[in-house]
Amino acid sequence: NAGVTQTPKFQVLKTGQSMTLQCAQDMNHNSMYWYRQDPGMGLRLIYYSASEGTTDKGEVPNGYNVSRLNKREFSLRLESAAPSQTSVYFCASEGQGGLPGGYTFGSGTRLTVV
Amino acid sequence: GQQLNQSPQSMFIQEGEDVSMNCTSSSIFNTWLWYKQDPGEGPVLLIALYKAGELTSNGRLTAQFGITRKDSFLNISASIPSDVGIYFCAGQWSGSARQLTFGSGTQLTVLP
Repeated sequence: NAGVTQTPKFQVLKTGQSMTLQCAQDMNHNSMYWYRQDPGMGLRLIYYSASEGTTDKGEVPNGYNVSRLNKREFSLRLESAAPSQTSVYFCASEGQGGLPGGYTFGSGTRLTVV
Repeated sequence: GQQLNQSPQSMFIQEGEDVSMNCTSSSIFNTWLWYKQDPGEGPVLLIALYKAGELTSNGRLTAQFGITRKDSFLNISASIPSDVGIYFCAGQWSGSARQLTFGSGTQLTVLP
């Protein structure tokens, strides 16, 4: 089925460990985004990629890095996980030329850092 | 950065009742959107608004883009159990390269 696929769905890390969250879309969308969701705070933008080969910081980029591997894939890396990074992470994509806001979200990665 | 104030934070209503929630911003947005998130899933777009004053319906949902471009509301009529979830407003402004700013969400519970 067409859409945004995130892996893994759940992850528990120890403080200081590293990991990469994977995101892939099969809708030929140009723009991709990483958000984190915390209780009572909505979704906050971590990084985005307006097109293949470009990435930019969002509202809360500290502690994260991203890679736009190709048009389909946009990964988020935590180099040294901290308890403050416990959150639900969502990847989204949006096609070029469409009206703004037509995001398709993945089902999320639930990360706990202990 | 942009800030969106969404209210109420939570609502408990009886099945069949109407619901209203709103968002206000300290700055102007060019686009207002409303998303719904079911448990364990990502948000799904419900309604998009692109012009100040625009009133748009999608079934039992109606949303409006405020004249000042700093606010929007969402109404749900005759609520049903499957309306349960978290509703988010989101705004996009011309200087943001299309990324969205989200409100903190309204948790809706529909009681039978």
